[in-house]
Amino acid sequence: EAQVTQNPRYLITVTGKKLTVTCSQNMNHEYMSWYRQDPGLGLRQIYYSMNVEVTDKGDVPEGYKVSRKEKRNFPLILESPSPNQTSLYFCASSLSWGSNYGYTFGSGTRLTVV
Amino acid sequence: GENVEQHPSTLSVQEGDSAVIKCTYSDSASNYFPWYKQELGKGPQLIIDIRSNVGEKKDQRIAVTLNKTAKHFSLHITETQPEDSAVYFCAADYAGGTSYGKLTFGQGTILTVHP
Repeated sequence: EAQVTQNPRYLITVTGKKLTVTCSQNMNHEYMSWYRQDPGLGLRQIYYSMNVEVTDKGDVPEGYKVSRKEKRNFPLILESPSPNQTSLYFCASSLSWGSNYGYTFGSGTRLTVV
Repeated sequence: GENVEQHPSTLSVQEGDSAVIKCTYSDSASNYFPWYKQELGKGPQLIIDIRSNVGEKKDQRIAVTLNKTAKHFSLHITETQPEDSAVYFCAADYAGGTSYGKLTFGQGTILTVHP
């Protein structure tokens, strides 16, 4: 089944403790992106990657890092999480850059930072 | 950058009625306008999209219209059913130049269809 898999689904952590949210897609998509979803703000892009080793900042990149060492994986790294990063996170992929091809989203990771 | 405004934030209808969600965008260069449906506990799923060279597109009970002059587009759901209850997001994108396909989303509309 073609899908984007995120792990974990739920995570509660403490301020300052480094964490990684994994994202993997099995569709050989070139383009991958991370979004955060907050009430009343919709989905905001954190980082995106057009292909392996090519990443760039989205609208809200502060406090996050990403890497794209393999085509299928695009982990989101929070080096020192803070409470304002409590949110619902989604990974998405697309056949190629330019969402004209349509995005496939993962099921989400609900992160709570206390 | 692009800014997408979506209204209403919540919409409640009776089963069988029609529902309309409206979005406006700011960047006249945007040329792709998808709509996503997000069910509880799941990620957004593409339900319909429209490109700037088309004014209207239909797929069974859902349709999307685009007015490029006014920079607004709308989602129309006819004969609503309880399973249509979800959060709906509109989005806009301009693919070209250095944009690299950055999809900008609206704030979302919570649609509730009462049996």
